[in-house]
Amino acid sequence: KAGVTQTPRYLIKTRGQQVTLSCSPISGHRSVSWYQQTPGQGLQFLFEYFSETQRNKGNFPGRFSGRQFSNSRSEMNVSTLELGDSALYLCASSEERTGPRSYTFGSGTRLTVV
Amino acid sequence: AQSVAQPEDQVNVAEGNPLTVKCTYSVSGNPYLFWYVQYPNRGLQFLLKYITGDNLVKGSYGFEAEFNKSQTSFHLKKPSALVSDSALYFCAVRAASNTGKLIFGQGTTLQVKP
Repeated sequence: KAGVTQTPRYLIKTRGQQVTLSCSPISGHRSVSWYQQTPGQGLQFLFEYFSETQRNKGNFPGRFSGRQFSNSRSEMNVSTLELGDSALYLCASSEERTGPRSYTFGSGTRLTVV
Repeated sequence: AQSVAQPEDQVNVAEGNPLTVKCTYSVSGNPYLFWYVQYPNRGLQFLLKYITGDNLVKGSYGFEAEFNKSQTSFHLKKPSALVSDSALYFCAVRAASNTGKLIFGQGTTLQVKP
């Protein structure tokens, strides 16, 4: 079974630009969650999508948005980038419907904002 | 509010000795608990989870964890540490009602010396 695929692996953007990150979950997994990892704040939950609907959301500004397609692939968009958005962005997929399952993480996208 | 505490930033052990990485949590209702490991520039790898049932959970690579409801703890253990176990370890909790949202501790760096 293929794992969770995140693209691109590395990205360098300029302050004020926008960026789109992609996550392809494990086949059959309909839940995709996104996390931001920074040295100062650690791992923080951004949002979760299930069957194309945002089901849960963390405490991030509206510049951070996401969506999920009918094939369960998900994208995350950050508009008007700030230096503080530099981070490792991780997505996790799960079979979860109402009960917990294991969450399988991708290798992440390293975003650097200059 | 949910929270996870990993009281030690770093744990040092000698190869062959037992290791313990501590984790305490706070969550409403029954907790779903997870341990993940992260190697440099990589995503998170699943080690084990507690959902319900036996308090002692066995996971990957010889790791185990004990769920203690009265002490709200979920410490990670391994009887005999390997140098290759050196990595960053994260404890995470999910509330039953909070689909797809893992709350992570700040992480503990495990250093195993030959």
